[in-house]
Amino acid sequence: GQQLNQSPQSMFIQEGEDVSMNCTSSSIFNTWLWYKQDPGEGPVLLIALYKAGELTSNGRLTAQFGITRKDSFLNISASIPSDVGIYFCAGQGYGGSQGNLIFGKGTKLSVKP
Amino acid sequence: GAVVSQHPSRVICKSGTSVKIECRSLDFQATTMFWYRQFPKQSLMLMATSNEGSKATYEQGVEKDKFLINHASLTLSTLTVTSAHPEDSSFYICSARDREQGGGYTFGSGTRLTVV
Repeated sequence: GQQLNQSPQSMFIQEGEDVSMNCTSSSIFNTWLWYKQDPGEGPVLLIALYKAGELTSNGRLTAQFGITRKDSFLNISASIPSDVGIYFCAGQGYGGSQGNLIFGKGTKLSVKP
Repeated sequence: GAVVSQHPSRVICKSGTSVKIECRSLDFQATTMFWYRQFPKQSLMLMATSNEGSKATYEQGVEKDKFLINHASLTLSTLTVTSAHPEDSSFYICSARDREQGGGYTFGSGTRLTVV
């Protein structure tokens, strides 16, 4: 089945630094989504990407849908303490059960003030 | 934006009892809802897809008789953990897709189930 490899698993950075994380897939997705999850909460959508090559920003966050349809990255610029949390990528394939979301294993971000 | 309400947020139950978790789409209709399970420090694992008016579709390895799903209306899906055991303790999260809003998936806030 489809699998997502998300890296890095965790990051410890200083406030103000930029952050980059990425996901790669063994197969093609038609949608890439990036979520943030705070402890004890459900994931919250950050950015949705629907087209290969698409580059989308949401404030200090920027994400891109790779042109091969098998990868995506998320960048966070000028990190702040409230960026702390776990970031998940999620991909959606084509139709039927492949239309369900598949999640990466997450990137745990820690920001030191 | 789309809002999904999930209740309860936390529940503690005795081993052998059943627990029902509700997932409601508050401002949109969801013909399909999804139920996930998340263990500590792990990712979300899809348990089943809940279809309004029909049987749920379970992922491989998920016992349909243990995790009963009912999607009786376009805004409500319920997950009942029957005869709960300590190993069922986990974080359960639902999500719903609003097709009229571009198909984005909105997640509930999750339910922390502890079976003692």
